[in-house]
Amino acid sequence: GESVGLHLPTLSVQEGDNSIINCAYSNSASDYFIWYKQESGKGPQFIIDIRSNMDKRQGQRVTVLLNKTVKHLSLQIAATQPGDSAVYFCAEKNTGNQFYFGTGTSLTVIP
Amino acid sequence: KAGVTQTPRYLIKTRGQQVTLSCSPISGHRSVSWYQQTPGQGLQFLFEYFSETQRNKGNFPGRFSGRQFSNSRSEMNVSTLELGDSALYLCASSTGDTSTDTQYFGPGTRLTVL
Repeated sequence: GESVGLHLPTLSVQEGDNSIINCAYSNSASDYFIWYKQESGKGPQFIIDIRSNMDKRQGQRVTVLLNKTVKHLSLQIAATQPGDSAVYFCAEKNTGNQFYFGTGTSLTVIP
Repeated sequence: KAGVTQTPRYLIKTRGQQVTLSCSPISGHRSVSWYQQTPGQGLQFLFEYFSETQRNKGNFPGRFSGRQFSNSRSEMNVSTLELGDSALYLCASSTGDTSTDTQYFGPGTRLTVL
């Protein structure tokens, strides 16, 4: 079955530092990946996505890296701000058009 | 464009009762997926509806059911509620047309079963 895991359940960083959140996936046939941010009391919010034919994609202050060889996905947040404190999920989409989510990493930004 | 809306936002029910949750997708989106989120299990996929048909289904008992209407709005029903059904129920909408289709989530319905 599908399995999407996150390396660390919690992460604390100093304001202004860069954050790196990691995710491992199990299905080598997955062709689409998304990172979501979920703040307390809210639904997950789309941050950035990447297709399997890419290995890097950049957004505003965020970069997603995909390593298909080791089935690893990471989210880098530059100059982390207090507003970045949230739970971050990775999600993979398989050929069956179904998403599988990791359990989440809770990011705490220390002012 | 308005986002995904879910009603109600909060529900309190007792064991044995049934509940219906509603989701209105983003305009133009034809796919609606439902997820259960609990602290221990994370986001668990329930089912996906596309053009009024259930296209994918997760590993939940038959007490969990859903449907989609011609305007793409979707409802989810849970019958004979159990304490373990207490969770945040999220719906997500997408166009449903491509393999790289992005899902956008609503705020969720917090269900508490007493």
